[in-house]
Amino acid sequence: DAGVTQSPTHLIKTRGQQVTLRCSPKSGHDTVSWYQQALGQGPQFIFQYYEEEERQRGNFPDRFSGHQFPNYSSELNVNALLLGDSALYLCASSYGLANTGELFFGEGSRLTVL
Amino acid sequence: AQSVTQLDSQVPVFEEAPVELRCNYSSSVSVYLFWYVQYPNQGLQLLLKYLSGSTLVKGINGFEAEFNKSQTSFHLRKPSVHISDTAEYFCAVSDLDGASKIIFGSGTRLSIRP
Repeated sequence: DAGVTQSPTHLIKTRGQQVTLRCSPKSGHDTVSWYQQALGQGPQFIFQYYEEEERQRGNFPDRFSGHQFPNYSSELNVNALLLGDSALYLCASSYGLANTGELFFGEGSRLTVL
Repeated sequence: AQSVTQLDSQVPVFEEAPVELRCNYSSSVSVYLFWYVQYPNQGLQLLLKYLSGSTLVKGINGFEAEFNKSQTSFHLRKPSVHISDTAEYFCAVSDLDGASKIIFGSGTRLSIRP
């Protein structure tokens, strides 16, 4: 049973570029949440997708956008990259919107912006 | 809106000694509470959760936490730590709305000395 898989694991971009990160949820899960974890900080909620719609959004600018596909996989897109976007981006999956269950996290995509 | 404060950024402790990692939360509504662990270069894994009922919650790897509503705390404890417990520990909170996001604290780095 595959867990949450994310790609790529590492990538380097320059300021102003755009990046797309991908996530496949754990088998049986239909909800995907994205988090940004800066070095030495806790994960910060970006947004959550369910039934191909953005359901909740954290305090992130519109440069951060996402998508969920019919097979429940998801993408995180960041436009006009800034140095401050350098972080570990974590994808978490769960079943349904209720948060009484646990989130299953991938190992993350580490983005470095130069 | 909820928030989480982890009072210690780092906790050094000798192997086989007891440990307590402190967590306080702020919320105007009833909450669910979680502790997650992040081992080096890995994603987050749920240690334990409090949803309702008994205020003493037992989790994996011998960890337990106690929910104290009057003090708005959810401290994590282990009576005897092992080298393998070296990791970053995150306290997290969400409200009872099924569509809500989970908010993480800034983390406590537990380092075990032999």
